[in-house]
This record gives sequence, structure tokens and C-alpha cells, in this order.
Amino acid sequence: EVQLVESGGGLVQPGGSLRLSCAASGFTVSSDYMSWVRQAPGKGLEWVSVIHNGGGNTFYADSVKGRFTISRDNSKNTLYLQMNSLRVEDTAVYYCARMARGGFDVWGQGTMGIVSS
Amino acid sequence: QSALTQPPSASGSPGQSVTISCTGTSSDVGANNYVSWYQQHPGKAPKFMIYEVNKRPSGVPDRFSGSKSGNTASLTVSGLQAEDEADYYCCSYAGFKPVFGTGTKVTVL
Repeated sequence: EVQLVESGGGLVQPGGSLRLSCAASGFTVSSDYMSWVRQAPGKGLEWVSVIHNGGGNTFYADSVKGRFTISRDNSKNTLYLQMNSLRVEDTAVYYCARMARGGFDVWGQGTMGIVSS
Repeated sequence: QSALTQPPSASGSPGQSVTISCTGTSSDVGANNYVSWYQQHPGKAPKFMIYEVNKRPSGVPDRFSGSKSGNTASLTVSGLQAEDEADYYCCSYAGFKPVFGTGTKVTVL
């Protein structure tokens, strides 16, 4: 069964850091494009970042560029999102998702990151 | 990149049809056929419902259909059922970056 399981969310002060993890099973993260998508409380979906298969090119939404870093560990079949210089407006549920057929075909259950003093 | 525009809400009675629009520009929706749609129930992860404008992943009922004309894509839910009550989001690409719609809450009356 194809599955994604996120972890690493929590409460952090503004300016702090969080590292999210997304463990994959049933497929290989290095073989597909993998993304992070977030959803602030009561708001819509916002794409955050993508890492391409193969060479692993990465791209970011303007709102997180320079602060967030997406990466993967092929040996652990796990995707990561390192979030630095966090702001209150980064508070959201963070989902990892596999990209295929031009969309996001597999989603994790999400992990909540709260940025608050 | 601005979010694609969807109506905040739509509704219909059981058995009726409801259509949700997703309006973008010639730089996103109008630029390619990579429009996808997602269904999200409260407290749950989004579910992949439509891809490449009008294709359904296996397991998605054929009551769900998609289309596109110019810069506007649409999702139609026919034969509304109680379990169709959810938020729906469209998604396209602006260049190589995905952009989501603002979301539509569908209510089954």
C-alpha cells in the first residue's frame, strides 16, 4: 500500500526552527516528484516546495524561499522540510504529497506546526 | 503567484448537480492541461479526484467530472450524495510551480 506519514510538528517561537519528516512506503521517494503543501487554520491549500526525482532539483514558493529547505534521504525513503526563521504566518498543517499525473495523487495525514510566542 | 479563483460556496439537494468554477489566467489554467481537483473533508487530508482536466483516478465515482474552457476549469458533481459535502480545491501550474484555488465549500441541502 502506498502511504505517507508525516512527523515533527510542534510549537515553536517566532524565529525558531522545525524539521518535518515524511516517511514513505509502497513506493520510492527518489523516483517521483515530492512536495510539501500547507494549510493555515481555516484557510486554503498552499504549495510550499517540490523536489524532483533523479537529480533532485528543488523549488520553493516565494513565501518560504530562503527560509525552508526540502530534502530527501533515499536510504530511509523519507522526505524532509527544514523550516528556519519561522514566522507566525507559517502556522499550518503541513502535508507531504507525491506528485504524479500532473497533480498530487498521494497525501500524508499532515503534521501541525504552530509558531507562537 | 496568486491563487486561482473559486466561489466560496455551492450547494444542491441530493440527486442534483453542482458545478464549481476555477478561474485563472493565460499563464496558469489557460497555459496547460494540468488541472487537478481535490476533495477535503473536515480534519482530513485532501483526496485526488480529477487530473489532467477531466481524468478520474481509479476509485473516484463517475459522478465527478472535469472540464476546461480558456482560463476557467470546472468540476461537476452529478447525483449529489451526502458524502459529497466537503471543500473542493482546484490546482494548476504557473510555469513549473503549482497553484491552488481558493476553495469551495459544497453543501448538500
